[in-house]
Amino acid sequence: QSVLTQPPSVSAAPRQKVTISCSGSSSNIGDNYVSWYQQLPGTAPKLLIYDNNKRPSGIPDRFSGSKSGTSATLGITGLQTGDEADYYCGTWDSSLSVYVFGTGTKVTVL
Amino acid sequence: QVHLVQSGAEVKMPGSSVKVSCKASGGTFSSYSISWVRQAPGQGLEWMGGIIPSLGTSNSVRKFQGRVTLTADESTGTAYMDLRSLRSEDTAVYYCATDPIFDYWGQGTLVTVSS
Repeated sequence: QSVLTQPPSVSAAPRQKVTISCSGSSSNIGDNYVSWYQQLPGTAPKLLIYDNNKRPSGIPDRFSGSKSGTSATLGITGLQTGDEADYYCGTWDSSLSVYVFGTGTKVTVL
Repeated sequence: QVHLVQSGAEVKMPGSSVKVSCKASGGTFSSYSISWVRQAPGQGLEWMGGIIPSLGTSNSVRKFQGRVTLTADESTGTAYMDLRSLRSEDTAVYYCATDPIFDYWGQGTLVTVSS
């Protein structure tokens, strides 16, 4: 059972915005950087955001990340059909000494 | 740019072992560490553990300790994940990824445990 909680699903129309929350605790999100991953159907996860709010080369600025206290948020603006995927947050847990992933959120473009 | 290529799908009997490989190209193998992540059918991502090839040190999640061995061969730029005493719950896609931010991932290896 994951220690990082995400909403099971979010949806919005094309060109709209969605946000995905990731709730943790002082030993994980509160103490470490957060990353976000996108997993398209049948493919390996892909890094979208690292160090809370940094985007790797090639990731469009439609994707953004933020962190406050023991929660983190991924934002996707200008939603496209190609954004339909599962999204996971992840971070190190200092108490458990393990890397933990969120429960995952399915994004649907209406 | 690092490229990770994993070994092919496996079908195993309960109680047996599986060894999945992850070959890296591009970059310098000794400059990064490798994590293993698995995903059961229809489920989320689960970190299993990681290895620092240059040091030969590894750690794994407590639930896998005693059953999993993570190794790496610097000469070939290949990391390995050996999982023993397989049970049906180990059926999953196993991924390798570069630490610490998992910026590069292998394509995944499906391991099916079934009698």
